[in-house]
Amino acid sequence: QSVLTQPPSASGTPGQRVTISCSGSSSNIGSHTVNWYQQLPRTAPKLLIYNNNQRPSGVPDRFSGSKSGTSASLAISGLQSEDEADYYCAAWDDSLNGHVVFGGGTKLTVL
Amino acid sequence: QVQLVQSGAEVKKPGASVKVSCKASGYTFTSYYIHWVRQAPGQGLEWMGIINPSGGSTNYAQEFQGRVTMTRDTSTSTVYMELRRLRSEDTAVYYCARGGKRFVDYWGQGTLVTVSS
Repeated sequence: QSVLTQPPSASGTPGQRVTISCSGSSSNIGSHTVNWYQQLPRTAPKLLIYNNNQRPSGVPDRFSGSKSGTSASLAISGLQSEDEADYYCAAWDDSLNGHVVFGGGTKLTVL
Repeated sequence: QVQLVQSGAEVKKPGASVKVSCKASGYTFTSYYIHWVRQAPGQGLEWMGIINPSGGSTNYAQEFQGRVTMTRDTSTSTVYMELRRLRSEDTAVYYCARGGKRFVDYWGQGTLVTVSS
């Protein structure tokens, strides 16, 4: 069972806006920034959002992140077929000498 | 450009050890931490630990304490992850990833480790 909680699945049609939630606690999201990763089938994860809402160079502005309290969200607008992937949230957790914790992942299907 | 190139797939018997390498290039090796993250088949991401290539200090996830060792060779910009006393549940893709102490940005391509008798 993952420390950060994500819905196992999400879906949308091309052009729609989809949001994926990530719920944590005071020792992780409540105290530290959140990063989001996109994992296309059979590939390594790729950084999508860092520091809650920053996009690395090359990531389209259709992807946006936000954080409030102990929860965070990833929004994808103008959904495209190539967005079909697994999405993971991550944050540092202060417990147990400190460690990175991940959400269980959300599989996004573009209908 | 930042590249992390990992060693090839491994097949091990239960009880054996495996050592995976991760060669970094495209940035100053000692300026960023290296994390190890694994992903069992069809499962999510699991953080294993971190090494600071500058001084070699490490921090391991509690689950792997006593079974994992992370080391580095600054002369070749390579980090190693050794996992001992393998069991079937250790079958997974193992990723090295660059980052700060508390985050990861670039990932290696992954190394499949299969544990089977």
